[in-house]
Amino acid sequence: KQEVTQIPAALSVPEGENLVLNCSFTDSAIYNLQWFRQDPGKGLTSLLLIQSSQREQTSGRLNASLDKSSGRSTLYIAASQPGDSATYLCAVPNFGNEKLTFGTGTRLTIIP
Amino acid sequence: SAVISQKPSRDICQRGTSLTIQCQVDSQVTMMFWYRQQPGQSLTLIATANQGSEATYESGFVIDKFPISRPNLTFSTLTVSNMSPEDSSIYLCSVGGRLNEQFFGPGTRLTVL
Repeated sequence: KQEVTQIPAALSVPEGENLVLNCSFTDSAIYNLQWFRQDPGKGLTSLLLIQSSQREQTSGRLNASLDKSSGRSTLYIAASQPGDSATYLCAVPNFGNEKLTFGTGTRLTIIP
Repeated sequence: SAVISQKPSRDICQRGTSLTIQCQVDSQVTMMFWYRQQPGQSLTLIATANQGSEATYESGFVIDKFPISRPNLTFSTLTVSNMSPEDSSIYLCSVGGRLNEQFFGPGTRLTVL
């Protein structure tokens, strides 16, 4: 059974700093990994989808990497802003279907 | 990307009552998914809804408690039946898109008193 873990559970950094969020998964037989953002009490916004054949995917100040063999993904946020404050979730689909297994989430606070 | 809307956005209900949550997508999709997010927790899949067939429920979720309808390729409903305070959660629907990217609705925030 796939298990997805995110470290740290919470992170506070001053505005302008670069930061890295971590995601690890136990079953490396995945075909993609998705990073989401969730604001308090709201739905999920898809940030980046990285296919198993890719090592990196970039969107603006965000960069996601994937190392299937070690069961790890990172989300790098450059030049953080207060608007980046949210919970960040990673998720992987069960192989053969689209059901997602979610990580435990990292609650990020950017201090102005 | 798919645009998904949910109704209601939030509700406060009395225990023992039922609430039906609607999910509307702006394009035809084969599978729709319903998730629950309990306070302070991550998301847990409740069931997968395919048009024209019975929903498939995950372990720990049963049809009597969470009946699902899927009348067409753009719409689904989830009912939370005989509610108790433990059902207080955010309920989200999602759909798969191109390259298996998943998109989520804005969620329904349910509080049961």
